Amino acid sequence: GAVVSQHPSWVICKSGTSVKIECRSLDFQATTMFWYRQFPKQSLMLMATSNEGSKATYEQGVEKDKFLINHASLTLSTLTVTSAHPEDSSFYICSAHGVRTPLHFGNGTRLTVT
Amino acid sequence: GENVEQHPSTLSVQEGDSAVIKCTYSDSASNYFPWYKQELGKRPQLIIDIRSNVGEKKDQRIAVTLNKTAKHFSLHITETQPEDSAVYFCAATYSSASKIIFGSGTRLSIRP
Repeated sequence: GAVVSQHPSWVICKSGTSVKIECRSLDFQATTMFWYRQFPKQSLMLMATSNEGSKATYEQGVEKDKFLINHASLTLSTLTVTSAHPEDSSFYICSAHGVRTPLHFGNGTRLTVT
Repeated sequence: GENVEQHPSTLSVQEGDSAVIKCTYSDSASNYFPWYKQELGKRPQLIIDIRSNVGEKKDQRIAVTLNKTAKHFSLHITETQPEDSAVYFCAATYSSASKIIFGSGTRLSIRP
């Protein structure tokens, strides 16, 4: 079945550094990818919608200059958390769907900023 | 804006009994309603979905009902088993290609 690979699964970084998270669709072309953030015991909050070859659409309250999203190909989208701070620590999950492929989630990335 | 409300936030049922989770949505244009199961530390997994042209859909022990007039949809799990323990999220979207708005989640616990 369709698989979405997300890497890394966890990362620890120092405050002020940037972290890049990759989301790949392994066996289908992802026309749209979504990035979510999930705090402990809370729901998934949509951060942005990423369409291949165009700029991402950010949800209200999400800083586009802080959370850089690139969807350079039909199988890869990246989320870069720039100048990370402890409050950026969270579980980040991507999801992707194709023309004939329903939405599938990546395994998520647990980011800890020290 | 779009909003999905989900109740209850926690639910504990005896093994073998049924569990029901209810959601309401605000965007009348929504026509696709997936349900996800998320185990601790793992990604959400699609367990069942329903489109607006159908009132009910069943897959073994899981069923979903939709009332478009009232903008309600519900997840029903029968003959619950310990492995059903997880957090369940409802969601609504205009289409499977559009952004999905999630409910706040229900933590389901199955008592042995």
